[in-house]
Amino acid sequence: LAKTTQPISMDSYEGQEVNITCSHNNIATNDYITWYQQFPSQGPRFIIQGYKTKVTNEVASLFIPADRKSSTLSLPRVSLSDTAVYYCLVDGGYQKVTFGTGTKLQVIP
Amino acid sequence: SAVISQKPSRDICQRGTSLTIQCQVDSQVTMMFWYRQQPGQSLTLIATANQGSEATYESGFVIDKFPISRPNLTFSTLTVSNMSPEDSSIYLCSVEDEGRVNTEAFFGQGTRLTVV
Repeated sequence: LAKTTQPISMDSYEGQEVNITCSHNNIATNDYITWYQQFPSQGPRFIIQGYKTKVTNEVASLFIPADRKSSTLSLPRVSLSDTAVYYCLVDGGYQKVTFGTGTKLQVIP
Repeated sequence: SAVISQKPSRDICQRGTSLTIQCQVDSQVTMMFWYRQQPGQSLTLIATANQGSEATYESGFVIDKFPISRPNLTFSTLTVSNMSPEDSSIYLCSVEDEGRVNTEAFFGQGTRLTVV
């Protein structure tokens, strides 16, 4: 399973766009990139997943460059309720999900 | 998608005792996963539970300490045995969406265990 590296923490003001970058230099050809969000006292929740280029859903966008060695989760106009830990994972499907350290995002009023 | 229910949601236990955590899924799944999340830390996989076979444990976790049952395709239990304060953690059950190659994992709310 490819190891991921992401910032330990980030702060952002309400209303700003937040970009969290994850490095995964050893990503394999069949690996997908998935981001999870975890609020205190809750289990992680799937946010978005992609293989290459750009993926967008109602919650976030995921940007993946051509070499796929990194990815950026973009959260538009964050609010206080977006304060959480965000995990970047890579896996090839039908495998146990392995979590890295995650990025603790603190949204400031 | 999958809805996962874990019981109990939290418990305070005396050292030396055991606690069994239950995980119920609203659909049949082949594999269920048990994670531990220590305070302020990321999730660490304990074991993978397949129906009809012994659970597969990750390095640092053993069956005697964390026995797992998987009697059917919608249910699993994890027992934390002979507890010590170091076992105080959140324990989470997880399953994966088996309808897709690109995996999405679903998690229960977790069981917050405090050992005193």
